[in-house]
Amino acid sequence: EIVLTQSPGTLSLSPGERATLSCRASQSIGSSYLAWYQLKRGQAPRLLFYDASSRANGIPDRFSGSGSGTDFTLTITRLEPEDFAVYYCQHYDSPAMYTFGQGTKLEIK
Amino acid sequence: QVTLKESGPALVKPTQTLTLTCTFSGFSLSSSGMRVSWLRQPPGKALEWLARIDWDDDKFYSTSLETRLTISKDTSKNQVVLTMTNMQPVDAGTYYCARIIYGGWHFDSWGQGTLVTVSS
Repeated sequence: EIVLTQSPGTLSLSPGERATLSCRASQSIGSSYLAWYQLKRGQAPRLLFYDASSRANGIPDRFSGSGSGTDFTLTITRLEPEDFAVYYCQHYDSPAMYTFGQGTKLEIK
Repeated sequence: QVTLKESGPALVKPTQTLTLTCTFSGFSLSSSGMRVSWLRQPPGKALEWLARIDWDDDKFYSTSLETRLTISKDTSKNQVVLTMTNMQPVDAGTYYCARIIYGGWHFDSWGQGTLVTVSS
C-alpha cells in the first residue's frame, strides 16, 4: 500500500507570498493517480489537480501542480486570503484504493 | 450544476448503527461510469476513504472497515446510503460523499459534510 507523506505539517506565510507544499509517495506512482484537494471548515472540499498537474475546473492559475515518481508539489504563487486552508494529496490504486496524505495546514503568518 | 448533500444523525450512541444519506443532483448514478464514494475526517486527522458504489451497482469498501459498512443506491431518488454498524467514539468526525465521473478516479465534486458525534 502506498503511503503519502506531506510536508510541512503547517506552513505559515503572508498574503502575497509563495507557498510550496510537498507530497512524497512511499514508492513510485508515475505521474498519474495523484490529486490535490483544498479543505476549508464548513465548506465542501475542492479538487485542485488530478494526474499531478491537470488543473480542475475553475482553479486559478496561481495554483500549479507538478511532480512524478515519488515527489509531488503543489505551488501557490502570490497567496490570496482565501487560499489559507488545509491541503491534501491523494493517490488512487485500482480497483478502489484511495489513500490520502496527512495534510498541510496553510496558515496566515 | 452538480451538488451533493449529506444528511443523517448528528449524534449516535456507542454500538449503534449510523445511517447516512447522500442526496445529489446534476448527474445520474445510472449513467455509465458514474461513481459515488463516502469518506470521513476525524477531528484533527486526515481524510479516509470508506466506500464506493458504481453506476452498475459494483460496491467497494475500505479493507479496514468492510465488515461494518454497507453502501447502496436509489437511482430514482438520486441518493446513496451508507450504514456503519457498531459505532464507537473513534468513528466520530465529518462524513462526506463525493462523486467520481466517467473515466476519472478523483473526487471532482463533494458535499459539505455532516458532523457525527459518538457519545452515550
